Amino acid sequence: KNEVEQSPQNLTAQEGEFITINCSYSVGISALHWLQQHPGGGIVSLFMLSSGKKKHGRLIATINIQEKHSSLHITASHPRDSAVYICAVTRYMYSGGGADGLTFGKGTHLIIQP
Amino acid sequence: ETGVTQTPRHLVMGMTNKKSLKCEQHLGHNAMYWYKQSAKKPLELMFVYNFKEQTENNSVPSRFSPECPNSSHLFLHLHTLQPEDSALYLCASSQESRRGTVHRYGYTFGSGTRLTVV
Repeated sequence: KNEVEQSPQNLTAQEGEFITINCSYSVGISALHWLQQHPGGGIVSLFMLSSGKKKHGRLIATINIQEKHSSLHITASHPRDSAVYICAVTRYMYSGGGADGLTFGKGTHLIIQP
Repeated sequence: ETGVTQTPRHLVMGMTNKKSLKCEQHLGHNAMYWYKQSAKKPLELMFVYNFKEQTENNSVPSRFSPECPNSSHLFLHLHTLQPEDSALYLCASSQESRRGTVHRYGYTFGSGTRLTVV
């Protein structure tokens, strides 16, 4: 079982629909990240969360630390939102600070049809 | 451009070749990473450099050899690769705390190098 699980793996929706992508994790984390990857490979960081909720334009990300669960919502979806959305976590480091990299989910392939 | 530049964008190499991937960041970050993305698999962490010191090697075969000459540059030297090493190799950077003080910031990714081993 992966330490970071996403659902659904694939999602096709019509323009304007409200989109929800879910992420569950099984390790202690210091932060959770939502990333967007377009064809061609480049990855853009959308959100970094350690608690609560963040909003940026039509994107909303929430996290429930007790339930080890996060959701990414897209309101009024548009074809340009079509991409792979990846949930990733920064593991909690008991030894303190320092870089430790990300552990990734498999991604959700989102297609928004006009 | 995100501030993290990777070259080349595409690379085709034979199994006996030696090549290097380059990553450069102009964000003043102190940590840099190599990730591998194979088809149908999640992104995998390969190497972490924090303050120019390698702090993690995620059981990567020795045919991949990282080098971090300064905090702005990161290389991945490749030799005697196998066809299954064909993948997208992504570099990322972040600003991390010194040990003992926990701060967490976002990561900035490069556009990746699409590597094909023939």
